Amino acid sequence: AQSVTQLDSQVPVFEEAPVELRCNYSSSVSVYLFWYVQYPNQGLQLLLKYLSGSTLVKGINGFEAEFNKSQTSFHLRKPSVHISDTAEYFCAVGKAAGNKLTFGGGTRVLVKP
Amino acid sequence: DAGVIQSPRHEVTEMGQEVTLRCKPISGHDYLFWYRQTMMRGLELLIYFNNNVPIDDSGMPEDRFSAKMPNASFSTLKIQPSEPRDSAVYFCASSLELGRVDPNYGYTFGSGTRLTVV
Repeated sequence: AQSVTQLDSQVPVFEEAPVELRCNYSSSVSVYLFWYVQYPNQGLQLLLKYLSGSTLVKGINGFEAEFNKSQTSFHLRKPSVHISDTAEYFCAVGKAAGNKLTFGGGTRVLVKP
Repeated sequence: DAGVIQSPRHEVTEMGQEVTLRCKPISGHDYLFWYRQTMMRGLELLIYFNNNVPIDDSGMPEDRFSAKMPNASFSTLKIQPSEPRDSAVYFCASSLELGRVDPNYGYTFGSGTRLTVV
């Protein structure tokens, strides 16, 4: 079975500061990794994904994530956040066999002016 | 494509009533998922379908919940009878096969149905 741990439930950050959201997973097989963002009162929107190839993945809105197989991590980063980045962020893992994604508990990012 | 479409956006109902939530997935997607989101439990997968066939319903909380997918473009999640503890946001999502090497792969979520049972 696979699991996803998002180590921080809330991350307050000042506008224009960098942010890193941590995600660790456990799985015995090769995995695919995803970050989703949920703005207030909306559904989840795909930010970026790692399926194969380069371990540094760039997504929308200036976000990027790095897949580290040895540390089983997929941390999300943004060098300079905006107020509009205030949202909840979910890390998810899936495996090649089957189509079910397992989601982490979410990290709520609050960007302060 | 208009994305995954869910209806209604909001539903308020009295305890004991039947509630039906609806979902139209993205055309061509093989998989459809129903999730429930609450503050206490986060995102929970209730059930998912592949080519209209239910594959895993182990997340369905109890017999009061049922889901159907009569064709590739429509699914329903029904709660009968509803209870206050069913109050949550219910999301539908659809996707292609995870193993496909497709740059567009990913779950696409609908905007959700906020259910309040009073």
